[in-house]
This record gives sequence, structure tokens and C-alpha cells, in this order.
Amino acid sequence: DGGITQSPKYLFRKEGQNVTLSCEQNLNHDAMYWYRQDPGQGLRLIYYSQIVNDFQKGDIAEGYSVSREKKESFPLTVTSAQKNPTAFYLCASSIDRYSGNEQFFGPGTRLTVL
Amino acid sequence: GNSVTQMEGPVTLSEEAFLTINCTYTATGYPSLFWYVQYPGEGLQLLLKATKADDKGSNKGFEATYRKETTSFHLEKGSVQVSDSAVYFCALRRETSGSRLTFGEGTQLTVNP
Repeated sequence: DGGITQSPKYLFRKEGQNVTLSCEQNLNHDAMYWYRQDPGQGLRLIYYSQIVNDFQKGDIAEGYSVSREKKESFPLTVTSAQKNPTAFYLCASSIDRYSGNEQFFGPGTRLTVL
Repeated sequence: GNSVTQMEGPVTLSEEAFLTINCTYTATGYPSLFWYVQYPGEGLQLLLKATKADDKGSNKGFEATYRKETTSFHLEKGSVQVSDSAVYFCALRRETSGSRLTFGEGTQLTVNP
């Protein structure tokens, strides 16, 4: 089945540690996205990539980094510079960068920093 | 800039009640509008969309009409079920922002039997 995989579903880390969240898609989509979801704040865009080897900052990129070395993979690293990293992280993809195309979402990773 | 405002939740209804979740937006030009649904512990799924003024999106008994004059895209369903309990997000995409979406805050809906 085609879809988006995020792993793990739950992740716990100590304060000050970097952590990398995985996102893989087998939909052959060009564009991929990372969102952060906090209670009562909806989804906020962290980073997005419209094509392999290219990515842009979203609205809340500080304290995060990404890479897009392969079309199917878009890992997100939450660094120790992120002041409040505990949140639900959602990865999404769409066929391409152009308007009119639906974004498909993965099941999410809940990160808790202790 | 772009923004989406949804009615505050949570919303609690009895089964078979009528549902309206309000959504208004601020954007220049002619954005595309979307409703996404998030069931507990899951990612988001596209529920319906409309890409131009007066378009009506519909799916699974839900409907929303793109009203340019009132900059609104209210979600409605005539008779809700317990299985409709979820968080609903309104979103927009501007013509000039590629595939980037701007989301509202989300509205929690609980339907009781």
C-alpha cells in the first residue's frame, strides 16, 4: 500500500539532546512537509521541500533542521536549540509544488522531552 | 498575510444533530480552501476542498461552500454520527504559494450517542 510512514509513534528524549524524526513516503511525491501541532494552535509549518536536494524554511524553522537527499525521505532533526520541543510532529507530502494538489499526512510522532 | 479563523471548540452534539463549524479566511487573490479531519491519534485526512468561488465541496455527508463575498468556508453536516468525533481543520492555499497550506486552529467535535 502507498503511504507515508513516520517512526517512532512515541519518542522520549532528555533535554539538550538532538533527536531525528523519520518520514518516508512511497507515493513518488516530489514535495514533502513537516508540521508541528500544539493544542489549540493548529498546524504550523516547520520546513518544506519541493524537490530533492532543496528545502525551505517554514514559519517556525528555528531550532530544527532537515535534509532531502532522497525523494522518498525527509528526516527532521529537533536540535537542543529548540526551546519547547515537546509536541506532535506531522509529516506530509504532495505530488508536486503546484497548487491544486492534496497533501497526504503520516500518522505523526509524539515527541516528549523530559 | 494569510490567515484562517475557525470557531472555537470544543463542540459537543448528540447523534443526528445538525453540525456547523465556521471558518473564515484572510488572503489576497483567489485561494483554494480545504477541510481536513484528524481522528484520535492519527494524522490528517482531506475531507473536502473547493478551488474557486461558489464551488461546493462534499464528502461523507459533509459540505462546504466557498463564499468569496463573506470570505467563508463553513463546514456543515445534516446528521452527525458518533464516528464523526474528531478534530476538524480549515486550511487555505494561495495561488502564489505553491503547495503551502495555512491551517486554522482546529475544532474538536464530540458526538454523543
